[in-house]
Amino acid sequence: QKEVEQNSGPLSVPEGAIASLNCTYSDRGSQSFFWYRQYSGKSPELIMFIYSNGDKEDGRFTAQLNKASQYVSLLIRDSQPSDSATYLCAEEKTARQLTFGSGTQLTVLP
Amino acid sequence: DGGITQSPKYLFRKEGQNVTLSCEQNLNHDAMYWYRQDPGQGLRLIYYSQIVNDFQKGDIAEGYSVSREKKESFPLTVTSAQKNPTAFYLCASTDYQGTNEKLFFGSGTQLSVL
Repeated sequence: QKEVEQNSGPLSVPEGAIASLNCTYSDRGSQSFFWYRQYSGKSPELIMFIYSNGDKEDGRFTAQLNKASQYVSLLIRDSQPSDSATYLCAEEKTARQLTFGSGTQLTVLP
Repeated sequence: DGGITQSPKYLFRKEGQNVTLSCEQNLNHDAMYWYRQDPGQGLRLIYYSQIVNDFQKGDIAEGYSVSREKKESFPLTVTSAQKNPTAFYLCASTDYQGTNEKLFFGSGTQLSVL
């Protein structure tokens, strides 16, 4: 079993809709989780990080963490074509080391 | 501007050749990392260094070597022992506090085999 699993997609949503990206993890001891956005051929950029159970909101983005069920999700409200990218979920195994999922490709259709 | 500079952007390797990817940062970060990304895959850790003159193997270190002689520099050598080197290589750094929310990435090097 992979440590961090994501649905590879592709996931397509119409412009203005809510995009929901999901990630599950196997290590119950993992404490911190990160969502990165990566455009094709570019380096990842951090969107959100979350440590505590529940929701964390930042603009159009909401990260949700459920440690009991071992999943973390990212919601993108009012999706825009510029949100089309691959979204990588990562867990913090130990301090300063991240384990990444394989990413979900999101396409927002105009 | 502070940041991480990787060079070259594209690199080609011949059979049996060692090649070195450069990574330089002027963020005064203690920790530096090398990741490999294959098409449609996430990032896998090759090596990391938390302090000058010290580095640790990551999950896929075989066929790679690194050095950390200066705080600013963390070059990665892809040796001939790495039989499938074609991938996108990313260098990253963060500060001593170890906060991954402050992990900065370089722009990457695409390595291909001739």
